[in-house]
Amino acid sequence: AQSVTQPDIHITVSEGASLELRCNYSYGATPYLFWYVQSPGQGLQLLLKYFSGDTLVQGIKGFEAEFKRSQSSFNLRKPSVHWSDAAEYFCAVGPASGGSYIPTFGRGTSLIVHP
Amino acid sequence: DGGITQSPKYLFRKEGQNVTLSCEQNLNHDAMYWYRQDPGQGLRLIYYSQIVNDFQKGDIAEGYSVSREKKESFPLTVTSAQKNPTAFYLCASSESLALKTQYFGPGTRLLVL
Repeated sequence: AQSVTQPDIHITVSEGASLELRCNYSYGATPYLFWYVQSPGQGLQLLLKYFSGDTLVQGIKGFEAEFKRSQSSFNLRKPSVHWSDAAEYFCAVGPASGGSYIPTFGRGTSLIVHP
Repeated sequence: DGGITQSPKYLFRKEGQNVTLSCEQNLNHDAMYWYRQDPGQGLRLIYYSQIVNDFQKGDIAEGYSVSREKKESFPLTVTSAQKNPTAFYLCASSESLALKTQYFGPGTRLLVL
């Protein structure tokens, strides 16, 4: 079964600084990978996804993520963080083949942005 | 606007009471899902449905029940058998189980009195 690890429970950055949130997965084949963001008391919003092709994926709100097969990672990055980026971020992984798809979610990383 | 709605936003349950959380979508999606979210635990799958009149248990189905009588609706009942129901509940949908992107509703917070 697939699994996903987000090693950092909390990350604190200053506004304007760069950001990298880590995501490592365990899956036998090429996974489908997602990053979602959740503001307090809200649902999850899709930031970006990787299914195949270019390993550097661009998303909404200036975020990008890079799939590195050799490291089993899909880290989320942003060059300059805004105060409004403070939220919970979830990485998710799913099976690559057809049929049913139920993603496994990481436990989330809480991003705190200092002014 | 297409999307997923959940109601109510907050729900209070008394001891021994069953409560039902509503989830409606107008995205014409076949597949729908219910997740439970607890602090520090991410999302855990309760039930999912890939088509009307069909649903499957997820990882933590005990104490919960669902129905899928209409394509756009997937209500979740938290029964009295669920001893620790306090959590944030999220409903999601996708075009099908084979098409992978899920879209989420705004959630319902369930509290026990």
